[in-house]
Amino acid sequence: QVQLVQSGAEVKKPGASVKVSCKSSGYTFNSYGISWVRQAPGQGLEWMGWISAYNGDTNYAENFQDRVTMTTDTSTSTAYMELRSLRSDDTAVYYCARDRYRYARATSCLDNWGQGTRVTVSS
Amino acid sequence: QSALTQPPSVSGSPGQSVTISCTGTSNDVGSYNRVSWYQQPPGTAPKLIIYEVTDRPSGVPDRFSGSKSGNTASLTISALQAEDEADYYCSSYTTSNTLVFGGGTKLTVL
Repeated sequence: QVQLVQSGAEVKKPGASVKVSCKSSGYTFNSYGISWVRQAPGQGLEWMGWISAYNGDTNYAENFQDRVTMTTDTSTSTAYMELRSLRSDDTAVYYCARDRYRYARATSCLDNWGQGTRVTVSS
Repeated sequence: QSALTQPPSVSGSPGQSVTISCTGTSNDVGSYNRVSWYQQPPGTAPKLIIYEVTDRPSGVPDRFSGSKSGNTASLTISALQAEDEADYYCSSYTTSNTLVFGGGTKLTVL
């Protein structure tokens, strides 16, 4: 079955960077895209961006364009999300999620989710 | 891209039906049938329950149904069960090739 397993919780200081990994199994990794979604404590879901695992195309949400980089390593079926210049309001659970559709040119539906990675930003 | 608008909370008794609305604009909900709904019980990751406005993934009970009219999509849960208590989020593809979520609705089963 499809599984996305994320890296463990992180604690960072303001101004630092964090890199979260998302290891996929149970499907052909390079046929689907991966989105990253975050959820601040007690808040809703916020889409951060998307990367195609088959051609490396990315599309970042406007709020994150200058601070986020999404990459994939097809040899290990792993997606990564790096967020720089962390602030206290970046404290959140970060999820990776797989596109429902193969070879999509953009994301529109997320059918399998990782377990989430808690990132805490505190001095 | 502003979040889609959902009511903060809805409630219903076991066996009743509830409907959650999701209002967007002509740049998202109104332009595409790429509206999805996700269920998120406390402390867990979201789970896809409706895609392409009306379709259910395998394993999702047919008590969950979706619809759309203009810029507003809706999720209806019939024959409410205690296990349905969760947060529900809508999402839509947008004209900017991005994804936007609703603010979320907390469903309480009385």
